[in-house]
Amino acid sequence: NAGVMQNPRHLVRRRGQEARLRCSPVKGHSHVYWYRQLPEEGLKFMVYLQKENIIDESGMPKERFSAEFPKEGPSILRIQQVVRGDSAAYFCASSRVLLGQRSGNTIYFGEGSWLTVV
Amino acid sequence: DQQVKQNSPSLSVQEGRISILNCDYTNSMFDYFLWYKKYPAEGPTFLISISSIKDKNEDGRFTVFLNKSAKHLSLHIVPSQPGDSAVYFCAARGETSGSRLTFGEGTQLTVNP
Repeated sequence: NAGVMQNPRHLVRRRGQEARLRCSPVKGHSHVYWYRQLPEEGLKFMVYLQKENIIDESGMPKERFSAEFPKEGPSILRIQQVVRGDSAAYFCASSRVLLGQRSGNTIYFGEGSWLTVV
Repeated sequence: DQQVKQNSPSLSVQEGRISILNCDYTNSMFDYFLWYKKYPAEGPTFLISISSIKDKNEDGRFTVFLNKSAKHLSLHIVPSQPGDSAVYFCAARGETSGSRLTFGEGTQLTVNP
């Protein structure tokens, strides 16, 4: 987990509000991923970004969710008009290079941001 | 469609004995597999990985075995220690999925002193 910084660690929002989750990758990592873990489930892929580009957003809900990774600053996962079902742990991860079968590298996860919608 | 399955939600072993965590997958396009350990309220921590061109990878107390024909992999921890108590996730990457990992549901390992 070394180096991937997520904030806030815990966030409480009322239904209909917006939630913004921030992620600073490991220094030197240009690949960022967001995963969501619902209660009693495994982690589910949401989106993969490189600087200023969304590479794969196949796991993102079509509405209310968006992600960005600007040239400067952290990656942001934004959830608009939150609903109770959005309550989950959101994990950001980063890697230096694209995960490959021969490189032996991996992606490193942050500590997570726990969103509670009341 | 759960492409990566960990059928045992929990496992309990005695300190010093071997822990064997199992994982099955259905997608034959998966070519890289990883195991992560997760403590409550923390992020997953990478343990060990294996490429589909290998059938075994070892790192200290951790060994991962891959049986491609059975689409099965397992993580062996020996000897098990109380500090190993955590949730273990199996994850897989496909040839065409870039860096997207598909995770299993996790197995809670408890190592009793």
